[in-house]
Amino acid sequence: AQSVAQPEDQVNVAEGNPLTVKCTYSVSGNPYLFWYVQYPNRGLQFLLKYITGDNLVKGSYGFEAEFNKSQTSFHLKKPSALVSDSALYFCAVREESGATNKLIFGTGTLLAVQP
Amino acid sequence: NAGVTQTPKFQVLKTGQSMTLQCAQDMNHNSMYWYRQDPGMGLRLIYYSASEGTTDKGEVPNGYNVSRLNKREFSLRLESAAPSQTSVYFCASSDLRWNTEAFFGQGTRLTVV
Repeated sequence: AQSVAQPEDQVNVAEGNPLTVKCTYSVSGNPYLFWYVQYPNRGLQFLLKYITGDNLVKGSYGFEAEFNKSQTSFHLKKPSALVSDSALYFCAVREESGATNKLIFGTGTLLAVQP
Repeated sequence: NAGVTQTPKFQVLKTGQSMTLQCAQDMNHNSMYWYRQDPGMGLRLIYYSASEGTTDKGEVPNGYNVSRLNKREFSLRLESAAPSQTSVYFCASSDLRWNTEAFFGQGTRLTVV
């Protein structure tokens, strides 16, 4: 069964510094990987996805993510953090198998950007 | 653009009461999902419907039932609410293809006392 792990409950970074939010996955077939962001009392918003092709994926709000098949990772990155990036970030995976398209989420990582 | 609409936004139930959470999408998506969000647990899949006429259990289906009423609507029913079902519930929808992202509603905050 597919699964995704976010090893850090919280990531703290100073404004202007680069940020990384980690995600590793486990699937038996081809993975489709997604990052979402959740602001307080809101639903989840899509940031970016990896389907195939270039391992570096660019998304909304200056975020990007690097797919690494050998390490089964899909870390979210941003070169320069903003205070407004502070939110809860979720990694998700969908496995290409059978007729189902279940979307499974990690436990989330709280990003706190200090001024 | 409405996207995914959930009702109600807030609900307080007494233990043993029943209720139905409603979800509707206007994006002509085939697949719909119900998740619950709990602190430290992330989003856990309760039930999903890959396409109209089909439903499948997710990670935490016990205590819940679902109905895919038509292509637009996917409801979640709690027959006999328990305090352990206190959570924030999210409905989502997506195209059937594996490489498409899901779109989420704003959530229903449910408290069972």
